[in-house]
Amino acid sequence: DTAVSQTPKYLVTQMGNDKSIKCEQNLGHDTMYWYKQDSKKFLKIMFSYNNKELIINETVPNRFSPKSPDKAHLNLHINSLELGDSAVYFCASSHIEKLFFGSGTQLSVL
Amino acid sequence: KNEVEQSPQNLTAQEGEFITINCSYSVGISALHWLQQHPGGGIVSLFMLSSGKKKHGRLIATINIQEKHSSLHITASHPRDSAVYICAVSPIISNFGNEKLTFGTGTRLTIIP
Repeated sequence: DTAVSQTPKYLVTQMGNDKSIKCEQNLGHDTMYWYKQDSKKFLKIMFSYNNKELIINETVPNRFSPKSPDKAHLNLHINSLELGDSAVYFCASSHIEKLFFGSGTQLSVL
Repeated sequence: KNEVEQSPQNLTAQEGEFITINCSYSVGISALHWLQQHPGGGIVSLFMLSSGKKKHGRLIATINIQEKHSSLHITASHPRDSAVYICAVSPIISNFGNEKLTFGTGTRLTIIP
């Protein structure tokens, strides 16, 4: 049983398209995150939600919009995709001391 | 300069060796995390520290808040320990328990049989 699952695992798309990445956690955690890992493997937080409310919104283009329909889900919508959006996107959830990561979505924008 | 610096960037060792990976940070923090990223890309949380030392199996993590430094040690290293080890610090723990983590660039560890 996967604790944090995100889909799809791979996403290849053309510039200008709109795409979504879904994330679900079955751990009962209140807090969920989206992280971006660039080509140099550097991780950076994008968003944090607590119980469906946005808590952290880093300097991310408005083309990126997280949506949390309930506290078990945090989806990431990306409009008008650009070449620079190519990266691995990780969803995570947390409870007190531990972070639980999804397996990542490798987004390639052509 | 990154707020979180790790050393070494790459480390290759023979199976059985004692491994030390270092993390230095320049900001005040409330907690520090050590993460492991497997060659397949998955990320696992190893430790969260706010003081002292924690041990889990062959892994030991220490932190010195005054010196703004943490180390991750691996005893009796094994090829399956080969991964990227990432240090991350949190300047804030809010009432919600959220953490705005700042990550180091990672240390790529390769253990040769």
